[in-house]
Amino acid sequence: DTAVSQTPKYLVTQMGNDKSIKCEQNLGHDTMYWYKQDSKKFLKIMFSYNNKELIINETVPNRFSPKSPDKAHLNLHINSLELGDSAVYFCASSLGPGQGVYEQYFGPGTRLTVT
Amino acid sequence: GENVEQHPSTLSVQEGDSAVIKCTYSDSASNYFPWYKQELGKRPQLIIDIRSNVGEKKDQRIAVTLNKTAKHFSLHITETQPEDSAVYFCAASNSASKIIFGSGTRLSIRP
Repeated sequence: DTAVSQTPKYLVTQMGNDKSIKCEQNLGHDTMYWYKQDSKKFLKIMFSYNNKELIINETVPNRFSPKSPDKAHLNLHINSLELGDSAVYFCASSLGPGQGVYEQYFGPGTRLTVT
Repeated sequence: GENVEQHPSTLSVQEGDSAVIKCTYSDSASNYFPWYKQELGKRPQLIIDIRSNVGEKKDQRIAVTLNKTAKHFSLHITETQPEDSAVYFCAASNSASKIIFGSGTRLSIRP
């Protein structure tokens, strides 16, 4: 039984398109995250939600918009895709900040390729 | 802003030898220091973590040390095995739940 799942696993699309990545966790965690891992393997936080509320919003272009319909789901929508958006996007979840900081459970990643 | 520096970026050791990866952090409010292992094509997974009220923690062949005064922490892997080959990330976090990752160390174990 998968703890953190993401769909799709691979996404190939053309510049200018709009795409979404979905994430779900069944761990009962309060906090979910989106990370971007580029070709050099740098792992950078993009957003974090706690109980459906945005708590971390790093310097990310406005073309990226997260949405959390409930605390088990955090989706990422990307408008007007650019070549530089090509990367692996990881979703993660953890216990909430009110309980201190705990282990992050990562999803399998979505490899986005923009051509 | 917050920053975590990790060295070396690549490390090659003979099977059976020890490997050491070092990190420094800038945010003095950091109180949680996890280490993640990422195998090729896989997701990062926690291998060990340490909190600021502890100086050292060990789990079988893996140990982590923390020097809060110097803002240094290190990962030590003893008796390395081929399955230890991976990219290792250190990270630092304060109570705000934001985790800053180091740039990663690609560890290769030579047979």
